[in-house]
Order: sequence, then structure tokens, then C-alpha cells
Amino acid sequence: GQNIDQPTEMTATEGAIVQINCTYQTSGFNGLFWYQQHAGEAPTFLSYNVLDGLEEKGRFSSFLSRSKGYSYLLLKELQMKDSASYLCAVRDGTGFQKLVFGTGTRLLVSP
Amino acid sequence: KAGVTQTPRYLIKTRGQQVTLSCSPISGHRSVSWYQQTPGQGLQFLFEYFSETQRNKGNFPGRFSGRQFSNSRSEMNVSTLELGDSALYLCASSLSGLGEDTQYFGPGTRLTVL
Repeated sequence: GQNIDQPTEMTATEGAIVQINCTYQTSGFNGLFWYQQHAGEAPTFLSYNVLDGLEEKGRFSSFLSRSKGYSYLLLKELQMKDSASYLCAVRDGTGFQKLVFGTGTRLLVSP
Repeated sequence: KAGVTQTPRYLIKTRGQQVTLSCSPISGHRSVSWYQQTPGQGLQFLFEYFSETQRNKGNFPGRFSGRQFSNSRSEMNVSTLELGDSALYLCASSLSGLGEDTQYFGPGTRLTVL
């Protein structure tokens, strides 16, 4: 079966660092995506990992461990505009664009 | 470059009716995927089309169908609507649907079934 787990909600303070975890169990693996979704808006692409390790992109970094079925998204120097839902998605073994999404983590950044 | 567009943005239907949603991908993108998003289930994959062919299908009943035209525009149809079909329907496009090709999402169609 396909299962992706993320915490439902997290809170953090402006300027802080937050780590959003994602664990997955899928039938095959061809990459992991992180998307950001503000309320009432479309998801926007943040990062992609297919090999183990850390990918850094400005204030955002994403880590993947395929052997552990684990990824995290690290957000540094949090800003109020980072308040959003963060979606972890795994591309299944077919290699095509079938993405299996977690239910998302709602992040609330307070002043 | 224009993004993914979806029409209509909002729809209200009653049980038993049918509905057609439209998606225009980013110019040059040939893969279009459809997702249903609900508060309880998150985003769930419906189907993916590439070059007018359905390449992948999620676990939804046959009431949910789709198609893709030669210009890559796509439509999805839901027949015999049920209350549980109320959701945000998102479409996403990508160049080829392979490798690390990124999916870009449209703003969605909010469907309410009364």
C-alpha cells in the first residue's frame, strides 16, 4: 500500500528554524517532492529529492534517506509569509507522474 | 509564460447531476494530471494524460473520467454527483511526466455538491 505521514500542524516563531518530517511507505520510489500551499491557492513546487542527502535552496533545504523512508523539509529564518501547508509527495514506482501525497503539515508562524 | 489555468473556478451542483471541468496546461507541457483535494484526505491522484492517452489512474470510481485533446488541454467529467464529491479539483501539468520533471498546479476548481 501507499502511506505518507506528516505531522498535522506545527507552530514556530518568526526568525526561527523549523523541520517538517515526512515518512513514507510506497510500492516503489522514484523521487520525493515538497510543495507549499497557501490557503485558497494552488500548491507550488519547493524541492525534489531522488538521491540520499541534502538539497539546499536558499532558506529551504530538503533531506532524503531512502533506506529509512524518510525526508524532512528545513525552513530557516522563518517569515510570516511562510505560514502555509507543506505537502510531501512521493512518485511511485511507475516513473510517471503519479504522485502520492501526504495530508500536509500546516505551519503557523507567529511574530 | 502563462501558468496552468482551470475553468470554472467555482461550481455548485446538486446530487445526481454531472459536471465537466477544464484545464489548460502551460504551453509546451504535454502531461496533465488531475487531483482531488479534501480536508480529510489531502490530495488524491485521479488520472494522468500524456499525448491524449491516459497513462495512469488512481483509485476512483468510474464516475470520474477524463480526456486530453491534441493541444494538451484536458477535461475531467464526474457523472451522477454525490455529496462526497465536494472538493477542490486541481490539475497539474509538466513537460513529459518523466524523471524529475516538475508538476505545476493550476488554481483549482472548487466544486460544491448540494
